[in-house]
Amino acid sequence: QVQLQESGPGLVKPSETLSLTCTVSGGSISSYYWSWIRQPPGKGLEWIGYIYYSGSTNYNPSLKSRVTISVDTSKNQFSLKLSSVTAADTAVYYCARVNSGYLPGNYYYYYMDVWGKGTTVTVSS
Amino acid sequence: EIVLTQSPDFQSVTPKEKVTITCRASQSIGSSLHWYQQKPDQSPKLLIKYASQSISGVPSRFSGSGSGTDFTLTINSLEAEDAATYYCHQSSSLPWTFGQGTKVEIK
Repeated sequence: QVQLQESGPGLVKPSETLSLTCTVSGGSISSYYWSWIRQPPGKGLEWIGYIYYSGSTNYNPSLKSRVTISVDTSKNQFSLKLSSVTAADTAVYYCARVNSGYLPGNYYYYYMDVWGKGTTVTVSS
Repeated sequence: EIVLTQSPDFQSVTPKEKVTITCRASQSIGSSLHWYQQKPDQSPKLLIKYASQSISGVPSRFSGSGSGTDFTLTINSLEAEDAATYYCHQSSSLPWTFGQGTKVEIK
């Protein structure tokens, strides 16, 4: 059974870069997309972006100028970097596996089926 | 960006009652709509994929329906363990988005 575990500093200073890693265990990182999602305290979910195991990415335009997602297949890990953070970036950050379903007509749909437990990141001096 | 609007925001329900949560998309998303359950201090858990497809291990009292812009999550015969916040999520077009959530409380 695939499991995901987020890791990284729980406290980041304003204007610095938030760096998190998601380690995939119980399965290979290959052949899937992998995503980051965040949830500010008491609020809803926000999709940050995803990466394919080959390295292609897609980001939320609201964060695109500050976000980089990368993958290290040799370590079965993918990572998130968010630059120039402010208090508004304080949130629980989740990583998730993106699975796909196939429909007739060569159509694929995507959904996030396995999530990590999440890690809390606070932006404060 | 596609906006998903859930209703209601909050629902207080007695056990064994039926719960209906709706999710409306700002434009057609086909059936690329998924439902998640999030209990306090836990990560979201996938309940329904592609509007109505069941997920292995999820109790059969959870079901989904809809297509286009209007979707429904139904919980038949609510149990105490179903107290949670429920989110819809669309993956039809980028950026992926979520509804604001519906909190279900057990009376």
